[in-house]
Amino acid sequence: DAKTTQPPSMDCAEGRAANLPCNHSTISGNEYVYWYRQIHSQGPQYIIHGLKNNETNEMASLIITEDRKSSTLILPHATLRDTAVYYCIVRSLNTDKLIFGTGTRLQVFP
Amino acid sequence: EAEVAQSPRYKITEKSQAVAFWCDPISGHATLYWYRQILGQGPELLVQFQDESVVDDSQLPKDRFSAERLKGVDSTLKIQPAELGDSAMYLCASSKRTGASPDTQYFGPGTRLTVL
Repeated sequence: DAKTTQPPSMDCAEGRAANLPCNHSTISGNEYVYWYRQIHSQGPQYIIHGLKNNETNEMASLIITEDRKSSTLILPHATLRDTAVYYCIVRSLNTDKLIFGTGTRLQVFP
Repeated sequence: EAEVAQSPRYKITEKSQAVAFWCDPISGHATLYWYRQILGQGPELLVQFQDESVVDDSQLPKDRFSAERLKGVDSTLKIQPAELGDSAMYLCASSKRTGASPDTQYFGPGTRLTVL
């Protein structure tokens, strides 16, 4: 599975958009980009995933660059409850295993 | 919305004692995973079941850890004897095997183990 690189921490003002970047320059054609988040002392929560097209659901939007070497998770209107560690994971269709890095710690402030 | 259930939520034990964690996956989910998360790190897969069979236990310390899913539904993870380094969050996840794309894993709340 391709390795991902994320900034260790980010801040965002409540009500503003939070844009979380992820670099996955070695991603291959059959690998998906998954995003999970983990609020303190809880289990990871699935957010969204994509292969090459941009995706949107009720939680967030996922923007994948045309060359697929990077992506951005967008929380359109961050709230205090969005404070969490956000994990970007690249995952092959051939494996069920999720390989977590250390993620980005997003702090939303009032 | 269906959720993965885990118990207990917290467990404190002394080293050399035995501990067990229980997981009930989302109904209809054939695949079950146990992960371990050390403080400050991301979760790491310990074992994966497909129905009642172990698919991957390459990262499970088999000298002291065991896992079973006898009827292909709920699962138990056991540590015997517990060591200080086993202090961590133990997470269970499940997924429905669709085959069309990578299955999305849904996680339970975890069991936080402290070994004294």
